[in-house]
This record gives sequence, C-alpha cells and structure tokens, in this order.
Amino acid sequence: QSVLTQPPSVSAAPGQKVTISCSGSSSNIEINYVSWYQQLPGTAPKLLIYDNNKRPSGIPDRFSGSKSGTSATLGITGLQTGDEADYYCGTWDSSLSAGLFGGGTKLTVL
Amino acid sequence: EVQVVESGGGLVQPGGSLRLSCAASGFTFSSYWMHWVRQGPGKGLVWVSRINSDGSSISYADSVKGRFTISRDNAKNTLYLQMNSLRAEDTAVYYCARVSRGESLNFDYWGQGSLVTVSS
Repeated sequence: QSVLTQPPSVSAAPGQKVTISCSGSSSNIEINYVSWYQQLPGTAPKLLIYDNNKRPSGIPDRFSGSKSGTSATLGITGLQTGDEADYYCGTWDSSLSAGLFGGGTKLTVL
Repeated sequence: EVQVVESGGGLVQPGGSLRLSCAASGFTFSSYWMHWVRQGPGKGLVWVSRINSDGSSISYADSVKGRFTISRDNAKNTLYLQMNSLRAEDTAVYYCARVSRGESLNFDYWGQGSLVTVSS
C-alpha cells in the first residue's frame, strides 16, 4: 500500500479530458514538489511534469499538473490512443527522508 | 546525448549478493544526484535509494536499509548498488535515474533497467 494514493484506473474517449489524482500528507506533497511519470508497457518511465506544474522540453501542453494542499493532479486533454499507459506521481517525504511514488494509475483510452 | 546504462542484474539465490552498476555519459556525472528505483513484476515504481553529487549524503527506503549500499565513483562516471541478504521480494527491474535538481524527485533521465531475480 503506497503512502501516495492514486486511483488504480481511469478511462475516457479519444479527444476527451481526464484527471488523475495523487493524495499524500503534510510531510510529502504539502511541502515538497510533485513530479509525474508516464510508463508505456515494457519501457522505462518518462518525466511528464516536474515541480508540480512544469513540463520538460518536448512534452506537449496537453499534459498539465497542479497541486493544492496535500493533493496533486495530472490533467491530460485531447486524449489519444498513444496516451494509454501507467501514470505515477512522485515526491519526497521529509519525515521518512525517503522518496515516494503513488501506486500508479492505468489510463485506458476507449 | 545523456545516457545511463545499468548492468549486473541476474539470478541469485535468497541470501545472496549482487552489485548493480550504472554507467553515465553525456553529462557531468559529478554534478548530479542519482537514485535507484525498482519495479517488481506487474507492480508499481518503488524508490530505493539516493546519493548526492559527491557521495556525502545518502538515503535508503526502510525495506532495503542495512542490506543495500549505494555508492558512486565520479572518476568512472558510475553509480553502484550493492545488494546483500537478498530476498524473494527484492525481485524487480532496477532503474538508475538522474534527478534534474539536487533535493528533488525530478527524474529526467532513466536507464533501461536491470532485472534482478531472487529465487532458489
């Protein structure tokens, strides 16, 4: 059971929008930056969002991140079949002095 | 081009040891903090350990503390993970990853992973 809680799965139709939540606590999300990763089957994770809401070069603006209190959210608009993947949130926990990942959310584009 | 390439994985018996290496190229290795992250079969990502740029600050997940040792050789541009007293639950793909900024979990570059299987 992960300290960061994500929904196991989400789904939406092509072209639609989806959000993925990541719930933590006062020792992790509330006081540290959150990053988001996309993992396609059989590949290494890829950084989508860092510092809560920044996109690395090459990541389309269809992907967005936000944070409020002890929760963070990844948003994906204009869904494409190529977006089908597992998505993970990550942050540092200052009480545990350890890195944390959410349990992952499987996105299905119907 | 930035690259990190893991090696050293394989099959090991419970209680055994293994050392993973991560060779870095295309960037100034000695300037970056590095981490190990693992992923069990069909499971999610799990953070394992981190080391700062000069090796003076190290952290571990509770699940590996006392059994795993992270280290680095900046002259060889290589990160290591010494794994002792291995258990079946340590079976996973182990990734090394670079963080874009010191005390963050912004993993901007990942290796392809090295599979460690602990089984008799």
